[in-house]
Amino acid sequence: AQSVTQLDSQVPVFEEAPVELRCNYSSSVSVYLFWYVQYPNQGLQLLLKYLSGSTLVKGINGFEAEFNKSQTSFHLRKPSVHISDTAEYFCAVNTAGANNLFFGTGTRLTVIP
Amino acid sequence: DTGVSQNPRHKITKRGQNVTFRCDPISEHNRLYWYRQTLGQGPEFLTYFQNEAQLEKSRLLSDRFSAERPKGSFSTLEIQRTEQGDSAMYLCASSFGRRVAEAFFGQGTRLTVV
Repeated sequence: AQSVTQLDSQVPVFEEAPVELRCNYSSSVSVYLFWYVQYPNQGLQLLLKYLSGSTLVKGINGFEAEFNKSQTSFHLRKPSVHISDTAEYFCAVNTAGANNLFFGTGTRLTVIP
Repeated sequence: DTGVSQNPRHKITKRGQNVTFRCDPISEHNRLYWYRQTLGQGPEFLTYFQNEAQLEKSRLLSDRFSAERPKGSFSTLEIQRTEQGDSAMYLCASSFGRRVAEAFFGQGTRLTVV
């Protein structure tokens, strides 16, 4: 069985400050990892993904994430946030051979002017 | 191509009525997925098609739910005898090839059952 834990349901941060959104997963098989962003009343947009190779993954809008196999984590980071980054962020896993994504419960990032 | 398109964007219906949603995937994508997202939760997998074949259904897909993808193009998701617990955002995604990693999501249909 697989699971995804997003440790923080809400993260407020001041504009231009750095941010880290945490994600931990559990799986007995190898995984692919993803971060999606969802703006109000919108669908999901892929920020970045880890499939293999370098554990540091860079995505759109200045976000990056690091896959840490020993800690089963895939935390999302941005060195300087903008007001426009205010949204819901979802971590997701796909296990080898599975045909669907398994999502965490989301973290609401609020950027304060 | 403008991406995955879902219609309608919003639907309000009375309990007990039937509703149908449509998803138009990216044209060359052979795989299509439906997810449900309730308030404050992440999306949950409902079902998946490869071309016109429905290959997987989750236990969330009760017998009141049915999905089709005729001719392997657009897909419809129908809910019969709607219940208040069906209120959610229904998301469609599509991908090309065998990996869900490349899936693109539509903007969703928000269903409210009153």
